[in-house]
Amino acid sequence: GAVVSQHPSWVICKSGTSVKIECRSLDFQATTMFWYRQFPKQSLMLMATSNEGSKATYEQGVEKDKFLINHASLTLSTLTVTSAHPEDSSFYICSARVGSGTRLPGANVLTFGAGSRLTVL
Amino acid sequence: AQKVTQAQTEISVVEKEDVTLDCVYETRDTTYYLFWYKQPPSGELVFLIRRNSFDEQNEISGRYSWNFQKSTSSFNFTITASQVVDSAVYFCALHYNQGGKLIFGQGTELSVKP
Repeated sequence: GAVVSQHPSWVICKSGTSVKIECRSLDFQATTMFWYRQFPKQSLMLMATSNEGSKATYEQGVEKDKFLINHASLTLSTLTVTSAHPEDSSFYICSARVGSGTRLPGANVLTFGAGSRLTVL
Repeated sequence: AQKVTQAQTEISVVEKEDVTLDCVYETRDTTYYLFWYKQPPSGELVFLIRRNSFDEQNEISGRYSWNFQKSTSSFNFTITASQVVDSAVYFCALHYNQGGKLIFGQGTELSVKP
């Protein structure tokens, strides 16, 4: 089936440093990937839509200069949290949509990565 | 506006009880998809079901069943004979328009006690 791999699964960093999170589609190509953020005991909030070969589209209230998204290939999108602060500590989840043209099970269903838990000290 | 409401924040049941998780949605689109995802303590989202707006047929998969009613804009999820392994947070989500964006409800934390 369609698999989305996220790395790292957890990361601890010092305030002021930058952290990169990778999201890979392992057995399918994803022209579009999505980045969500989830604070403890809360729902998933869409941060941005990552488009292969073009600029990401950010949701209202999300700082594009702080959360840099690069979708350089059809199987990889990266989210970089720049100058991280404790309030950026959260669970970050990426997802990709398996296209309708594929024969993979779950076509047109969003597949989610396992998430990356970021703790900023 | 597009919105998903899961009014039940937490539900606690004893094993083997049946439990229904409610989901109410709002959308102006005539074509949309509704989803249910399970999020166990590990955090990974597990896809359970997708239903499009033109298919109101109820679905059963093992102990899981879903009741989609457009008239009340609801897509409720029932677990029959609950088990401890069903303990998780369950999210209802709405996909509308193009692009693949999902709007999630607030989630319902289900606790099944032995």
